[in-house]
Amino acid sequence: RKEVEQDPGPFNVPEGATVAFNCTYSNSASQSFFWYRQDCRKEPKLLMSVYSSGNEDGRFTAQLNRASQYISLLIRDSKLSDSATYLCVVLDAGNMLTFGGGTRLMVKP
Amino acid sequence: EAQVTQNPRYLITVTGKKLTVTCSQNMNHEYMSWYRQDPGLGLRQIYYSMNVEVTDKGDVPEGYKVSRKEKRNFPLILESPSPNQTSLYFCASSPPAREQYFGPGTRLTVT
Repeated sequence: RKEVEQDPGPFNVPEGATVAFNCTYSNSASQSFFWYRQDCRKEPKLLMSVYSSGNEDGRFTAQLNRASQYISLLIRDSKLSDSATYLCVVLDAGNMLTFGGGTRLMVKP
Repeated sequence: EAQVTQNPRYLITVTGKKLTVTCSQNMNHEYMSWYRQDPGLGLRQIYYSMNVEVTDKGDVPEGYKVSRKEKRNFPLILESPSPNQTSLYFCASSPPAREQYFGPGTRLTVT
């Protein structure tokens, strides 16, 4: 079983749609959680950290459920420029990052 | 500008010819790491370093070496590259227990 699991997609959505990605992790001792965005053949870039209380940054909302070991990312009012791969990332107590395989999003006009 | 730089960005080489990919960060981060990314396999950690002169193996260290003589630099060395090391390589750095910042990537082809 993978330590961090994501649905690879692709998720094909029209502009303006709301789309949600989910991620599960297996290490209950995980400390910190992040969503990264990766464009084709480019480096991953931090989209947002995920806090226990949930957090929002503009059109993006991240949620963490420690009991279920589950992280989510919600994107509202999708833009064409949101098309990318979204990586769920978990940091353990030893400063080790574990990446999910990524979920590919394609926003169509 | 705070950044992680890698060189070269693209490299085509032949089997067995030693090569080094450099990585440098200007953010005074303690932690640095190397990853490779392959289709269908995601990002896999090769080696990491918690600080100067402290390095450790990641998930896929075979065929690679690293060194951390200075805080800002963390070169990746392939002593005898093989075709299965053809991949996209990323260097990353971070403060302890924080999100990592990635370099732009090095696309390596070994023929």
